Amino acid sequence: NAGVTQTPKFRILKIGQSMTLQCTQDMNHNYMYWYRQDPGMGLKLIYYSVGAGITDKGEVPNGYNVSRSTTEDFPLRLELAAPSQTSVYFCASSYGTSQPQHFGDGTRLSIL
Amino acid sequence: GENVEQHPSTLSVQEGDSAVIKCTYSDSASNYFPWYKQELGKRPQLIIDIRSNVGEKKDQRIAVTLNKTAKHFSLHITETQPEDSAVYFCAASTSGTYKYIFGTGTRLKVLA
Repeated sequence: NAGVTQTPKFRILKIGQSMTLQCTQDMNHNYMYWYRQDPGMGLKLIYYSVGAGITDKGEVPNGYNVSRSTTEDFPLRLELAAPSQTSVYFCASSYGTSQPQHFGDGTRLSIL
Repeated sequence: GENVEQHPSTLSVQEGDSAVIKCTYSDSASNYFPWYKQELGKRPQLIIDIRSNVGEKKDQRIAVTLNKTAKHFSLHITETQPEDSAVYFCAASTSGTYKYIFGTGTRLKVLA
């Protein structure tokens, strides 16, 4: 099993550009999450999904959008990239509530 | 709102000594408490977890204790080694809420 796979690993964007961060998991987990982690800081929840077709906002959703058309995939869309969105983005999945979350290796995003 | 306080923010110990990290949660309905280790530039990985029906859990050099009355839980690492150096995050989760509340992290340095 590959677990949670994120692409790309690194990306540099210009201000105002858009991009999609990809996340896929092969564990048949219903629950998926997107976090951002600023340098030296903790994890902040951007969006989460409890199953295909169901998504909801976390604590820092502004400037991001998500979709969940399949159990496996949970892409994160950045529209009109801003320097404040420079961060490391982690995708995670879990079997259910109150269960271990499995993290991908992260996408390191710089916006200049 | 719900929050998890984690202390200390940094901790330095001599190799072979013990390390203790403490977290306090606010939601009395929380029933699942995982601990994650994040090495520099890597993804968070689960090292141990505990549920509210258990007071203590041990896995080799790592143990977690839970005090539901006081609403705090602690990570104990014995016989620390240089490879234990990392950032440790606690979290609290409540069944049905689909998300974790993460602590702010503790940077542990084990000095050889």
